[in-house]
Amino acid sequence: EVQLVESGGGLVQPGGSLRLSCAASGFTFRNYAMSWVRQAPGKGLEWVSVISGSGDSTYYADSVKGRFTISRDNSKNTLYLQMNSLRAEDTAVYYCAKHEGPFIVVVTAIDYWGQGTLVTVSS
Amino acid sequence: DIQMTQSPSSLSASVGDRVTITCRASQGISNYLAWFQQKPGKAPKSLIYAASSLQSGVPSRFSGSGSGTDFTLTISSLQLEDFAAYYCQQYNTYPLTFGGGTKVEIK
Repeated sequence: EVQLVESGGGLVQPGGSLRLSCAASGFTFRNYAMSWVRQAPGKGLEWVSVISGSGDSTYYADSVKGRFTISRDNSKNTLYLQMNSLRAEDTAVYYCAKHEGPFIVVVTAIDYWGQGTLVTVSS
Repeated sequence: DIQMTQSPSSLSASVGDRVTITCRASQGISNYLAWFQQKPGKAPKSLIYAASSLQSGVPSRFSGSGSGTDFTLTISSLQLEDFAAYYCQQYNTYPLTFGGGTKVEIK
């Protein structure tokens, strides 16, 4: 059974940093691209970033480019999102999501989602 | 960026009703379209990929159709557990973009 468990969320001041983790199990982690998707309170879904299965390719939404960094450790079956220079508008539940294939140049659909972790940016 | 426009933004329906949600892309995306269901306080669940293919375990009352710019999600006979928000997403081009969502409520 595929399981994705996010952690690392919490309250942080504007300008601060936070690192989210997503522990994966139930599938061969290195064979699949992974994304982060966020949802501000009461709002819709917003894609944040994607990383290929090997970890050598990434893409970002313009809203986080230069501030967030996606990475993965395939030996630990874990996905990360390093968030720097956080703003109030980054407040959201952050979901990790598994894609159906390993590559990101040719995108595949998301098939599984984690339960999410809440990030609140406020003074 | 490709804009995804869903309609309606909300609808009221009864158990047993046939429900159709539409999603329009601002430019052609072939069939790189997915649909997700989200219940309050829960993570999204993947329903459909490639515009019309059901994810494993999704009931057959859900179906998707379309190609290019116009897509639909149909629930043939609405069940109690289907009352939720539904989102379309294009994965043809980065950034991946979602529609604004359709909330299906009980009439």
